[in-house]
Amino acid sequence: SQQGEEDPQALSIQEGENATMNCSYKTSINNLQWYRQNSGRGLVHLILIRSNEREKHSGRLRVTLDTSKKSSSLLITASRAADTASYFCATKTSGSRLTFGEGTQLTVNP
Amino acid sequence: GAGVSQSPSNKVTEKGKDVELRCDPISGHTALYWYRQSLGQGLEFLIYFQGNSAPDKSGLPSDRFSAERTGGSVSTLTIQRTQQEDSAVYLCASSGPSGTGAYNEQFFGPGTRLTVL
Repeated sequence: SQQGEEDPQALSIQEGENATMNCSYKTSINNLQWYRQNSGRGLVHLILIRSNEREKHSGRLRVTLDTSKKSSSLLITASRAADTASYFCATKTSGSRLTFGEGTQLTVNP
Repeated sequence: GAGVSQSPSNKVTEKGKDVELRCDPISGHTALYWYRQSLGQGLEFLIYFQGNSAPDKSGLPSDRFSAERTGGSVSTLTIQRTQQEDSAVYLCASSGPSGTGAYNEQFFGPGTRLTVL
């Protein structure tokens, strides 16, 4: 199975609500990254959290990392319709490869 | 260019034909990656190039798939004798020199949507 697994697979919320997506992984990592994808095309890097960090913020994004549980969460606060997209976590081990999860499809309803 | 570019954006081919997909990474980026994404799925790693080192080909699904990177810049992914299961979006990404902050983040191109009839 994939190194990174997100849940839920799909999430539908109303504009203004917070959205939380989770990611679990299996092996030790160097860092964990979250990406966003619109319309099945190129991915855009959102945020990176290193293995020695526990929480990181960027604008309306908050990422947490629990290496003991091998899990991470991405919180989007005060969601907007424009946040509708697929969100992927990706883990980086000692090599340079990123291993992506299956993604969470977020729909924010106006 | 300002970002990673890929061509063509869409490719429709017949089963059994060969196809070539092209990726132009961000200038100065030493690492280049190819991924495949089937409809509604995550990204499947295919191959990775880093500078002049031997590429990591461990993700290529069969010997029908090959890739090269000329002059440390442009890369071409070739699929020979295409099959219907090869239909997917093929994404290319590049990242900056090892040891820099940019090395951790991958910049993606818009992808090539391949349809094998």
